Amino acid sequence: DAKTTQPPSMDCAEGRAANLPCNHSTISGNEYVYWYRQIHSQGPQYIIHGLKNNETNEMASLIITEDRKSSTLILPHATLRDTAVYYCIVRVDSWGKLQFGAGTQVVVTP
Amino acid sequence: EAGVTQFPSHSVIEKGQTVTLRCDPISGHDNLYWYRRVMGKEIKFLLHFVKESKQDESGMPNNRFLAERTGGTYSTLKVQPAELEDSGVYFCASSQDFPGGEQYFGPGTRLTVT
Repeated sequence: DAKTTQPPSMDCAEGRAANLPCNHSTISGNEYVYWYRQIHSQGPQYIIHGLKNNETNEMASLIITEDRKSSTLILPHATLRDTAVYYCIVRVDSWGKLQFGAGTQVVVTP
Repeated sequence: EAGVTQFPSHSVIEKGQTVTLRCDPISGHDNLYWYRRVMGKEIKFLLHFVKESKQDESGMPNNRFLAERTGGTYSTLKVQPAELEDSGVYFCASSQDFPGGEQYFGPGTRLTVT
């Protein structure tokens, strides 16, 4: 599976949009981009995934560049409860393992 | 619908003892995964069951770890004998049987080996 690069941390003001970048320059054509998050002391939580088209669900939007070498997770209106470590994971769309990196620690402040 | 449950939530044992962790996946989920995070490190995959069969156990650290999933329902992860470096949080996740199905994680079991 392709390796991903994320900033170690970022801050976001409550109510504002949070844009979380992820680089995956070695992604293959059959690999999907997944986002999970881990709120302190809880198990990881699925957010969204996509292949090449932009995706949106009730939690977030995923924007994937045309060359698929990077993506951005957008939390449209960050709340304090969105404070968590966010993981960008690239893998073949199968039911196999997830490979977590260090992720981005997002802190939402009032 | 009940989520993934894990038992116990916390276990403290001495080096050399045995501990068994249990995971109950979401009903109907054929795929069951074990992961762990040791102190200061990233979450690492341990193994993957499809029903009662081990699909991928490439992440199991050594033969002190034994995972079972009899009957394809709940799973146990036994550590025998436990070592200090086994301390960490062990997560279980499950997913439905279709490609790309999201994995639902349990709250984890915090294992402390003293």
